[in-house]
Amino acid sequence: NAGVTQTPKFRILKIGQSMTLQCTQDMNHNYMYWYRQDPGMGLKLIYYSVGAGITDKGEVPNGYNVSRSTTEDFPLRLELAAPSQTSVYFCASSYSIWTQETQYFGPGTRLLVL
Amino acid sequence: QKEVEQDPGPLSVPEGAIVSLNCTYSNSAFQYFMWYRQYSRKGPELLMYTYSSGNKEDGRFTAQVDKSSKYISLFIRDSQPSDSATYLCAMKSIQGAQKLVFGQGTRLTINP
Repeated sequence: NAGVTQTPKFRILKIGQSMTLQCTQDMNHNYMYWYRQDPGMGLKLIYYSVGAGITDKGEVPNGYNVSRSTTEDFPLRLELAAPSQTSVYFCASSYSIWTQETQYFGPGTRLLVL
Repeated sequence: QKEVEQDPGPLSVPEGAIVSLNCTYSNSAFQYFMWYRQYSRKGPELLMYTYSSGNKEDGRFTAQVDKSSKYISLFIRDSQPSDSATYLCAMKSIQGAQKLVFGQGTRLTINP
């Protein structure tokens, strides 16, 4: 299994541009998450999904959109990039959200908005 | 007040030392406590998991939870240079959507 994969690894965007961060998992996990990590800060949840067709907002959803058309894929969309969205983005997945089920993280996408 | 507080460090110790990493929290509903290890330019990976209060040991790592004080710790014995990483505490409640809440992470360097 490849686990959780993310593309691209690094991207530079200009203010106002849009892009989609891709996330795919091959573990047949129902639950998927998008986090952002700013320097010296922990991970903050942007959006999560409990299954295909079902998504919900996390702690910092403004400026982002998600969709979940399949179990495997959970893309994150930035419509109008702003410097405040410069961050490292991590996608994660888990079989369930109950009890001790661990979240498996992808390698991250580094985004720089100039 | 942040729900989870963690000293960001950085923390630098010599090889072989005992390392203590700590987090405090304010939400008494948290029941599940985790420590993630994150190497530079990598995603976090689960290191230790503890439910409610008590200790859990796994090799050189020991996780402690004191719910009465809202305080959790991770101890690393006989620290190795390969332990150099950022350590993130995370916790979640048994209620609702059980979203993980992370601390800021502590950057640890073990010097040979």
